[in-house]
Amino acid sequence: GESVGLHLPTLSVQEGDNSIINCAYSNSASDYFIWYKQESGKGPQFIIDIRSNMDKRQGQRVTVLLNKTVKHLSLQIAATQPGDSAVYFCAENSGYSTLTFGKGTMLLVSP
Amino acid sequence: DAGITQSPRHKVTETGTPVTLRCHQTENHRYMYWYRQDPGHGLRLIHYSYGVKDTDKGEVSDGYSVSRSKTEDFLLTLESATSSQTSVYFCAIRESGQINYGYTFGSGTRLTVV
Repeated sequence: GESVGLHLPTLSVQEGDNSIINCAYSNSASDYFIWYKQESGKGPQFIIDIRSNMDKRQGQRVTVLLNKTVKHLSLQIAATQPGDSAVYFCAENSGYSTLTFGKGTMLLVSP
Repeated sequence: DAGITQSPRHKVTETGTPVTLRCHQTENHRYMYWYRQDPGHGLRLIHYSYGVKDTDKGEVSDGYSVSRSKTEDFLLTLESATSSQTSVYFCAIRESGQINYGYTFGSGTRLTVV
């Protein structure tokens, strides 16, 4: 069957560069946001989350920025490595015990 | 994957046949979810469960039914499979509570309807 990576926007970077992946969310009432990473043939994996009362949160090599004014979320990956190549999804919790996912961005890292 | 198992991993079935996918967890989490993933559409919610025998529909529930008779098992049934249900199906679980809404996903089931 088709790969989930087809039809997705793609970001191509060189190893060692910083990567920024963007996401626009839909519901101004959403209070919690998550970034997931999905490698080929695997289920999505949690990377980092942020609550709506925060603008920025840092993890190991990753930072999530939240701009509620324009309903925009970004994921920054520092010193990108070939192992970071994957599809990245943002998700928002709109308060009904379920998450709504964005369509994803494919990150390709060249050695 | 963190105490969540999907079976089968791959299945090919004929149009019009019933198909059941199984999700099994060992985490004793309250919430369980079924999503389908298709190119160009991302992950879309089919059904979810918030407890034993408590289920609700998602955005793409037509043609699917679910059952949860035990905390650890959440079954997704395609009553009469169609080619439009060819997809990768993911189960997810999460803890209840206010602090962490994040899901843990299974490895997926690739279903092909011919």
